[in-house]
Formats: sequence, C-alpha cells, structure tokens
Amino acid sequence: KQEVTQIPAALSVPEGENLVLNCSFTDSAIYNLQWFRQDPGKGLTSLLLIQSSQREQTSGRLNASLDKSSGRSTLYIAASQPGDSATYLCVLGGSEKLVFGKGTKLTVNP
Amino acid sequence: EPEVTQTPSHQVTQMGQEVILRCVPISNHLYFYWYRQILGQKVEFLVSFYNNEISEKSEIFDDQFSVERPDGSNFTLKIRSTKLEDSAMYFCASNRQGRRTGELFFGEGSRLTVL
Repeated sequence: KQEVTQIPAALSVPEGENLVLNCSFTDSAIYNLQWFRQDPGKGLTSLLLIQSSQREQTSGRLNASLDKSSGRSTLYIAASQPGDSATYLCVLGGSEKLVFGKGTKLTVNP
Repeated sequence: EPEVTQTPSHQVTQMGQEVILRCVPISNHLYFYWYRQILGQKVEFLVSFYNNEISEKSEIFDDQFSVERPDGSNFTLKIRSTKLEDSAMYFCASNRQGRRTGELFFGEGSRLTVL
C-alpha cells in the first residue's frame, strides 16, 4: 500500500529565502507525481506534474524533482514571497487511486 | 482558463437530510472524481467516474453516497441521510487522461456542515 509522507509538516521562512519541501513515498511503481498548493478554505491548485519517466519539471520560481528509486520528490521554491504562503501537497498517481500527502504548511514572513 | 466549478460553496443541513453537491468539470475532460477533506485532515478519495459509470470507489463511498452525470456538463454527488461526520470540504476534480498520466484539476470545493 502506497504511503506518502511530507516533511516538514510546517515551515516558516523569511521572505526571499530559497526553500525545499520534501515528499517521500514507499512504492516506486508510480505513473506520475503532482504538486498542489492549497490556500485556507480553498481548493487545490496544480503547480507541477511530473510523469514517471521524467526527473524534473520547472515553472517560474518552482522546480520539482522526482527520484523514483529512492522514493523521493522535492519542490524547490526560489526567492520565496509572502504570497507563497499556503499548504503544499504531494499527490502520487499509481496503480491504485491517487494518494495524497498530508501537506507542508508554508509561511513566508515579510 | 478552463476551470472546475462547484456549487454550492457552503451548505448547512440538518442531520438526516439529503444533500446534492454539484460540479461542472472542464469540458473536454473524461475522468471525474469526488474527494473530501475533513478539517485538519488529509484529502481522501471518494469515487472516480468514467464513461458514465463508477470506475473506482473507496470504502468511504458506501450506500449513503451516489454520483450521477445527468447531462453532458454536470457531475453530482448525492449524500443521503447526512451524518455529523459527513461535515467536510468536498472537492470535485477532473482530468483528461485519467490517473495514469493526466494532470488533475480541482474545483474550489463545497463546504458541508451537518448540524
């Protein structure tokens, strides 16, 4: 059974800092991995989708990597801004239903 | 940019009442999903729907729940005889290619409060 763990559960950084959010999973037989952000009381906004054959994806200040052999993905956020404050979720698509991490709550302080 | 829309944004109901949550997926998408998120907890899968039938459901999705695509655009989740523990945020999602390759798009959610 696929398990997804996101560490840390919460992170607080000053504005401008580069940061890394971690996602680990137990079953490397995945089809894809998607990173979302969720603002309080809101839906999930897709940030990046990495297919199993890919190693990374980039969008603006965001870079997501995937290492299936070690069961890890990272989301790198460059030059963080207060508007980046949200919960970031890692979601795995595999042979079973999509599996969600519990998220990392990021606070970027001005 | 196309988006998944959900109504209502918030519904308050009495225990035992029936609730219908509505979703309009992105128009060229083929796979539809309902998820729920109890306050402070993980997003949980409820059901997936493809080709006018349920393709997968979780243990949460018991006889109390049903889904329907009554026309070409709407996708509904019906909860019969609501219980206090049904209080949650319910998210509709859709994608074009299914969970194997497709990017998943979520609606803003419908908050259900059962009193």
